[in-house]
This record gives sequence, structure tokens and C-alpha cells, in this order.
Amino acid sequence: TQLLEQSPQFLSIQEGENLTVYCNSSSVFSSLQWYRQEPGEGPVLLVTVVTGGEVKKLKRLTFQFGDARKDSSLHITAAQPGDTGLYLCAGGGADGLTFGKGTHLIIQP
Amino acid sequence: EAQVTQNPRYLITVTGKKLTVTCSQNMNHEYMSWYRQDPGLGLRQIYYSMNVEVTDKGDVPEGYKVSRKEKRNFPLILESPSPNQTSLYFCASSLTGYSNQPQHFGDGTRLSIL
Repeated sequence: TQLLEQSPQFLSIQEGENLTVYCNSSSVFSSLQWYRQEPGEGPVLLVTVVTGGEVKKLKRLTFQFGDARKDSSLHITAAQPGDTGLYLCAGGGADGLTFGKGTHLIIQP
Repeated sequence: EAQVTQNPRYLITVTGKKLTVTCSQNMNHEYMSWYRQDPGLGLRQIYYSMNVEVTDKGDVPEGYKVSRKEKRNFPLILESPSPNQTSLYFCASSLTGYSNQPQHFGDGTRLSIL
């Protein structure tokens, strides 16, 4: 079974600060997805990266897939209270989709 | 509106009383799956279905059953629920079973088994 480790598990910062969350594995994935989940709702896809070294931007969010396709990072610039939520990474491989345990992010006004 | 609909959203029941959680999607997706989400354990897949009449076990299938008689519906059945099945359950669908496909999740069903 492929495992994905997310760090940090919890993060609470002030509005306007920058942050990075990480998703690491010893396994190679064919693709890496990032989801955001808000209380009372299901996860919603933010982005899919499929090429080693790929960088994708979604407004203030920057996603990077590691060169070896074993890890990924999510960087948020000038965080806003609306960015609060649970961020999940999910790696795609022969066994299907494997989810990390998530990073709980709180942005305080 | 494209969506995955789960019912009920909340259920409190007792040990041993059979229950079914329904899941329906209106996107003509081939692939559907069930997950449970528990604190500290994340999302774990229970069962999945690649297409009609094709189902397979995920990582934590014990105590659960599923069926896929129609493309749009994928009910989760707990024949004899136990307290360790208290959890938040999500149904998800995607166009195909390829792992790079985006998963569309329902809003969840919170089950409490007393």
C-alpha cells in the first residue's frame, strides 16, 4: 500500500502570512491531486498535477509536483480567512487513489 | 447541476439494526466509491465500483456491502452495524477509474451507532 504523509498536521496563522504544506511519499505516483474540505462538506478538487516538476497556480495558491513524482507542495501567498479548511493530497497509482491524512489550516483575521 | 447526493446526511441508530446509505450521481460517471473519514486516520476507501455490476473491496471493507445495479446509484449497506462503524461517510464518483480523474464527493453522511 502506498502511503502519503502530510505536514504539518495543523497550522494556524494570521491573515496575510504565507505558508507551505507538504505531501511526501517513498512511492512514485502517476498523478497528484489536492483537495480542500470545509466543515459539513465533501472534499473539492483544487488541482491535478501529472508531470514531475510541474507547477500550477490557482490565484494565490501554487502547487508543485516533485521531480521524482514522490512529493508535492502547496504554497499559499497572503492567506485569507476563506482559505481555512482541511487540505488533502491524493496520489494516483496502480492501486488507485491514496489520500493523505490532511493538513488542518486556520487563517485568523 | 452536477452533483453526488447522499442520504441521509445524519443518522443515529443502534447496534445490529440494518441500514442503507444511498448515493446517486447525475454525471453519467462510470466509477463510484465509498470512503469513511475518521480523526487521525483520514479518508479510507471501503468499496469501489468500476461500472455497473462490477464492485471490489477497498482498504476497509469489513462489515459493509455495496451493490451497483444502475450506473447512477451505489448504496452502502451495513447489515449489522456496530459502534466501530460510527464515522463520517463519503460517496464519490469520477468519469472513469483512472487514478488521475477528479473525484466528485457528496456532502457526507454522519453515522452514529450506539
